[in-house]
Amino acid sequence: NAGVTQTPKFRVLKTGQSMTLLCAQDMNHEYMYWYRQDPGMGLRLIHYSVGEGTTAKGEVPDGYNVSRLKKQNFLLGLESAAPSQTSVYFCASSYVRGTDTQYFGPGTRLTVL
Amino acid sequence: SQQGEEDPQALSIQEGENATMNCSYKTSINNLQWYRQNSGRGLVHLILIRSNEREKHSGRLRVTLDTSKKSSSLLITASRAADTASYFCATAAGQNFVFGPGTRLSVLP
Repeated sequence: NAGVTQTPKFRVLKTGQSMTLLCAQDMNHEYMYWYRQDPGMGLRLIHYSVGEGTTAKGEVPDGYNVSRLKKQNFLLGLESAAPSQTSVYFCASSYVRGTDTQYFGPGTRLTVL
Repeated sequence: SQQGEEDPQALSIQEGENATMNCSYKTSINNLQWYRQNSGRGLVHLILIRSNEREKHSGRLRVTLDTSKKSSSLLITASRAADTASYFCATAAGQNFVFGPGTRLSVLP
């Protein structure tokens, strides 16, 4: 099993550009999450999904959109990137309840110039 | 302060010594989890302790939970250089987790 994978691993954007981060999991998990991690801070939840076709806002959703068209994939979109979105983005999944063990991907390091 | 906050922010010890880090939180929780993050990698789950449990062991890890003080501690015994990482507590209240800023542990050979 590959677990949770993320693409791309690194990306540099210019302000105003758009991009999509892809997260895939092969564990048949219902719950999926997108977090961002900034220096000196813990992970902050951006958006999450409790199942195929459903999404919800987390702690810091502004400037991001998500989609969960297939159970195994969770996409994070930045429509118009800003320097404040420079961060490391982590995807995670869990089996059923949102408070069960989460399995994390390796992260995507995004720099917005 | 955040819901989950680890203490100390950084810890440096010699190989073979024990490492203790603490987590304090503010609201009632369902469970508390500890995760490890090696540099440049994703988080890896270490141990989960439920609100009705007081202590849990996993290999060289020992976690305690004191719900009356709203605190937890993670003890790593006989530390190794490979334990060098950041350690995060995650508190579960409701649907989602809240992660603290982490403790950076350096184990010197």
